[in-house]
Amino acid sequence: DGGITQSPKYLFRKEGQNVTLSCEQNLNHDAMYWYRQDPGQGLRLIYYSQIVNDFQKGDIAEGYSVSREKKESFPLTVTSAQKNPTAFYLCASSTGFSEQYFGPGTRLTVT
Amino acid sequence: KQEVTQIPAALSVPEGENLVLNCSFTDSAIYNLQWFRQDPGKGLTSLLLIQSSQREQTSGRLNASLDKSSGRSTLYIAASQPGDSATYLCAVRDTNAGKSTFGDGTTLTVKP
Repeated sequence: DGGITQSPKYLFRKEGQNVTLSCEQNLNHDAMYWYRQDPGQGLRLIYYSQIVNDFQKGDIAEGYSVSREKKESFPLTVTSAQKNPTAFYLCASSTGFSEQYFGPGTRLTVT
Repeated sequence: KQEVTQIPAALSVPEGENLVLNCSFTDSAIYNLQWFRQDPGKGLTSLLLIQSSQREQTSGRLNASLDKSSGRSTLYIAASQPGDSATYLCAVRDTNAGKSTFGDGTTLTVKP
């Protein structure tokens, strides 16, 4: 079954802690993306990677970090420097600039 | 900087009605435009992808059109059903780095 998996579905953390969100795909896609969605709003791009060992900042990269050591995996770390981390995080992948496919999302709550 | 607007923000229609959702964008130098559906608390499901060279795409009861010169796309839903109730988002991918810009979505409610 091809697709994108994100884990965990729900994540709770205390303020000041770093947390890593997992994203794995078995679609053999080169490009992967991380987006953030706040209530009633569209998606905003955090980071994207078009090839292994390379990634670029999106529109709201401050307070986040990523790695792309394997084609299938693109983990996102939300650091303590992110001022407002509570949000719904969505991972996506695509072949080049073609159709994007999304995972089910991780809802992060920081208190 | 690309800006994407979806109007209206919310729409409520009776079952069976045909309807149109709108998406407008400010920079016509796009690679493609993609329409998605999102159910509450879920990820996005791709509905239709229109390449910049295309005028429209169809899938079942859905038809999406693209007019690059005017910076507009529409998603036409025929014979709406309660199961169509969801938030519909459009995303425009730029030609340079391939980054996508999303609209805030239109939340559709189809009443039985």
